[in-house]
Parts: sequence; C-alpha cells; structure tokens
Amino acid sequence: DQQVKQNSPSLSVQEGRISILNCDYTNSMFDYFLWYKKYPAEGPTFLISISSIKDKNEDGRFTVFLNKSAKHLSLHIVPSQPGDSAVYFCAATGDAGKSTFGDGTTLTVKP
Amino acid sequence: GAGVSQTPSNKVTEKGKYVELRCDPISGHTALYWYRQSLGQGPEFLIYFQGTGAADDSGLPNDRFFAVRPEGSVSTLKIQRTERGDSAVYLCACSTGQTNSPLHFGNGTRLTVT
Repeated sequence: DQQVKQNSPSLSVQEGRISILNCDYTNSMFDYFLWYKKYPAEGPTFLISISSIKDKNEDGRFTVFLNKSAKHLSLHIVPSQPGDSAVYFCAATGDAGKSTFGDGTTLTVKP
Repeated sequence: GAGVSQTPSNKVTEKGKYVELRCDPISGHTALYWYRQSLGQGPEFLIYFQGTGAADDSGLPNDRFFAVRPEGSVSTLKIQRTERGDSAVYLCACSTGQTNSPLHFGNGTRLTVT
C-alpha cells in the first residue's frame, strides 16, 4: 500500500502562470514533508520542506501548503518558468529517519 | 567534487552474475541511504546507514542484496545472483544526520540485467 501518493502523473502549464502539484499521504506518523525536483539522468535535488507544525512555507517562487487533517500537501510555483520543467517528487519522513517518496509528477512549462 | 559520486553510471550484467555499486558521499555527512527507482515510480527505500552501522535495512528486497559502509564514508551495494527484475536506477543519498535534514542524491547507477 503506497503511503505517499501523487495522483497526477503529469501537469502542463503556460509560462508565467501558477503550477500546483498535489500530494496525499496515509501515515499519520509522518511529521516532515519535502519536495524534490529531478531532471533527466540526474538525481533528485531538494527544493522545499515543511514541518507538520506549520501549514505554509515559502521560498521565493515556491510555496508548500500542508493540510494535516486532510493529509494533503501541495506545491505552488508562481510564476512558472520553462526551466521549472522537471519531475517533482513529494516525500514524507517520520521518526524512523527514512523518507518515503511518491511516484512523481512531470511538470511541463510551455513558453 | 562537492557532491555525491556514484560509480559506475551504467552497468550491464548477465542474469546470475554478481554486481557491486559504489557511493562516495559528501564529506562529513554521517547518514547514507540507498534507494532504487524503477521507470515511472518514485525512489524506493532500501537501506540507511548512520555512520558505519545499518540503522534500517527493512527495504532490502531479499538476501541477495547487501550493503556495507566499513569506514563510515564510502558505501557499496552488493547484489548476488542478479535477476532481470533487479534492473533499475540505484540512487545513493546522504545527509548531515540531523533530524529532518534533506537528502543529497547522486546521479545514480543504471543497472540492466540481461
């Protein structure tokens, strides 16, 4: 049973518009959430994170929102740029130390 | 270099053979992780080291898989009697070991078992 789900395999947006990527989790023991970005033939790179004691964290064009009661988080990118085109992975951690990843959403930003 | 180095970048082997995949983490990063990624899926946890010891090996699929980190830096993932289903990208990651510190990934080793 997948504990972290990204239900949209792909998303396409126009340059300058907002991109919203979603993630759901089932394990209530997860208390820290991270987003990673991956380009082809490279490993994932850390983008932004949020603790379960917060509901929002912002870093430049990137904002992550957490709805703990719904076990849902989202990543907002605004304005979207062509260089943002990549696969985005949601990950969750608990006190065990390891991260559990979703299957990713491929974002395409069209010029 | 300052990043995580994984060698080889690509490995093709025949079914039944033994392979070793190497990871050279960022200097000073005490936590080291191995993940496996199949096409269209996210990274799947295999094993986690804190220093020299395996803190959690619950993700290793069976006893054909083994990993070591004898001096607390470089790690080797070893796969015996490879099967076609072992074909995947094997990712190594490290972190400072502090709670909730993000992972720094290498570019992975693409393993193909023919």
